[in-house]
Amino acid sequence: DAGVIQSPRHEVTEMGQEVTLRCKPISGHDYLFWYRQTMMRGLELLIYFNNNVPIDDSGMPEDRFSAKMPNASFSTLKIQPSEPRDSAVYFCASSSSGTGADTQYFGPGTRLTVL
Amino acid sequence: GESVGLHLPTLSVQEGDNSIINCAYSNSASDYFIWYKQESGKGPQFIIDIRSNMDKRQGQRVTVLLNKTVKHLSLQIAATQPGDSAVYFCAETPPSAGGTSYGKLTFGQGTILTVHP
Repeated sequence: DAGVIQSPRHEVTEMGQEVTLRCKPISGHDYLFWYRQTMMRGLELLIYFNNNVPIDDSGMPEDRFSAKMPNASFSTLKIQPSEPRDSAVYFCASSSSGTGADTQYFGPGTRLTVL
Repeated sequence: GESVGLHLPTLSVQEGDNSIINCAYSNSASDYFIWYKQESGKGPQFIIDIRSNMDKRQGQRVTVLLNKTVKHLSLQIAATQPGDSAVYFCAETPPSAGGTSYGKLTFGQGTILTVHP
């Protein structure tokens, strides 16, 4: 079975540019999570969705960040405009409430570098 | 100024030894706990989980122990191998409150495990 798929795997951009990260969750999973990982702050939850609806976006750092989930198999995290301090690895994860467990399965991540 | 990052605890062991990685969790009401393994350049990978109504659970070469009295979680790896070298995270989730907190994990800072051949 395919796991969580993220693209691109690496992104290098210049300050001020728009960045879009993409995620395809595991088929049948009804929860989707976006995380950011840095050496300074570790692994931080940014936002999560249930059945394509945003449930908690309290971790989104500021208005420059936005996330959407137009359907059950696709989500985007957008940063506009990007800044050097946004450089990090961004992970997408998904889980299924149907299993009765909260286990989240992570994608390989997108390493973002903002110059 | 000088940047300061997280100073992760480290554990170095010899191949074949048993490893014990510890984690103190924060919420006494948390009812589900997970251990993740993260290798360099990869996303966290599920290892084993445990619910708060249990104090021990065993998997393949791994055992998780839960002590709710002192809010402590440990991961034991038997016969540690070089492939076990990674950062290990514990994560907790609070009990669902009308579904609003379902699945929302809080991660610990991680422990770096290095296995020497």
